[in-house]
Amino acid sequence: DTGVSQNPRHKITKRGQNVTFRCDPISEHNRLYWYRQTLGQGPEFLTYFQNEAQLEKSRLLSDRFSAERPKGSFSTLEIQRTEQGDSAMYLCASSTSGGSSYEQYFGPGTRLTVT
Amino acid sequence: RKEVEQDPGPFNVPEGATVAFNCTYSNSASQSFFWYRQDCRKEPKLLMSVYSSGNEDGRFTAQLNRASQYISLLIRDSKLSDSATYLCVVNSGGYNKLIFGAGTRLAVHP
Repeated sequence: DTGVSQNPRHKITKRGQNVTFRCDPISEHNRLYWYRQTLGQGPEFLTYFQNEAQLEKSRLLSDRFSAERPKGSFSTLEIQRTEQGDSAMYLCASSTSGGSSYEQYFGPGTRLTVT
Repeated sequence: RKEVEQDPGPFNVPEGATVAFNCTYSNSASQSFFWYRQDCRKEPKLLMSVYSSGNEDGRFTAQLNRASQYISLLIRDSKLSDSATYLCVVNSGGYNKLIFGAGTRLAVHP
């Protein structure tokens, strides 16, 4: 499978715990995006990497959230001290930076439930 | 006001019907426009990019009106498998983040 992959697919955690999600983009894609989607809404942008550089962060990304892409390949999104409001689907997408660079391809998402 | 607005539906149509979805966006600087399809509890999948000249892909036709900041999607000869949520999407800003509408639900029935 050469698409975007995300792990885990589901995560249930108790309020106050830390969680980390992983995204593996399509191999030749140098751009990587994180989005969050809640029920009945479209995905909302969280952050963007070009190679290993994090170039933009949404104000939705509070201090409890951190994302990395250390070698410009896979990325991790960590949420510290989770709150019930963090329950959502966390989606990763990737794209190239040339040609049809605006077309982003999404992974299956990680569904987070905070109890 | 939301940056991308869509009628949430649902649109309930019989097989074979033609159905049209509309979308408006607020950022006149947006340069790229898309329709994504999302099945229940799945990730969004790119359906088609939308070009200024309009474009067609089989039963699907997308149109863009930059002056009115309006995007449309027409589905002809609806199939049961077209049942999904259709997300109107525009890019925003220099880093190409995508701004999604809340989606329009389509239910095609026999």
